[in-house]
Amino acid sequence: ILNVEQSPQSLHVQEGDSTNFTCSFPSSNFYALHWYRWETAKSPEALFVMTLNGDEKKKGRISATLNTKEGYSYLYIKGSQPEDSATYLCAFQAGTALIFGKGTTLSVSS
Amino acid sequence: DADVTQTPRNRITKTGKRIMLECSQTKGHDRMYWYRQDPGLGLRLIYYSFDVKDINKGEISDGYSVSRQAQAKFSLSLESAIPNQTALYFCATSDRTADGEQYFGPGTRLTVT
Repeated sequence: ILNVEQSPQSLHVQEGDSTNFTCSFPSSNFYALHWYRWETAKSPEALFVMTLNGDEKKKGRISATLNTKEGYSYLYIKGSQPEDSATYLCAFQAGTALIFGKGTTLSVSS
Repeated sequence: DADVTQTPRNRITKTGKRIMLECSQTKGHDRMYWYRQDPGLGLRLIYYSFDVKDINKGEISDGYSVSRQAQAKFSLSLESAIPNQTALYFCATSDRTADGEQYFGPGTRLTVT
């Protein structure tokens, strides 16, 4: 059974803090690693799809890195804002389907 | 207009009833997926389809069936609903590139009493 673990489960930070989350996945049969942002009462939206070991992607204040050899990815948020409050999901792709982690729920206070 | 739509958005039904959840997309994607989300659990794949003639079981297909009526439509049926099928159901689509990101519908909240 393929397992995708995310930590921490939840996180509360102050506006302006920088933070990071971890996604751990199997290091074998890797095809891609996806990050999604899921706001309350909305549907998940893709942030990044990463395929190559050493990949780094950035979108505004959010960036992600990928280590396929050791099976982890980090998501970084620089200078957190209240609008960053959401659940961040990672998903491991070995073949055709995605296996999602349980997510990290971020709450940013102003 | 939303690219991926789901109907109904909310539904309450009784144990033993048959119910169908519908998904339509205007993105022109070949691939469509049905997931369920339960509190404390990640999104779990129920079924997926890579084209009209291709249907595949996901991690938790028991108790569910699907129909891909057209490239743009993918329906999920619960033949005889049971309370532990109470969940939030998402439809998603992606294009045919193997690492294509998925686009999610707004979700259907289903309650089985």
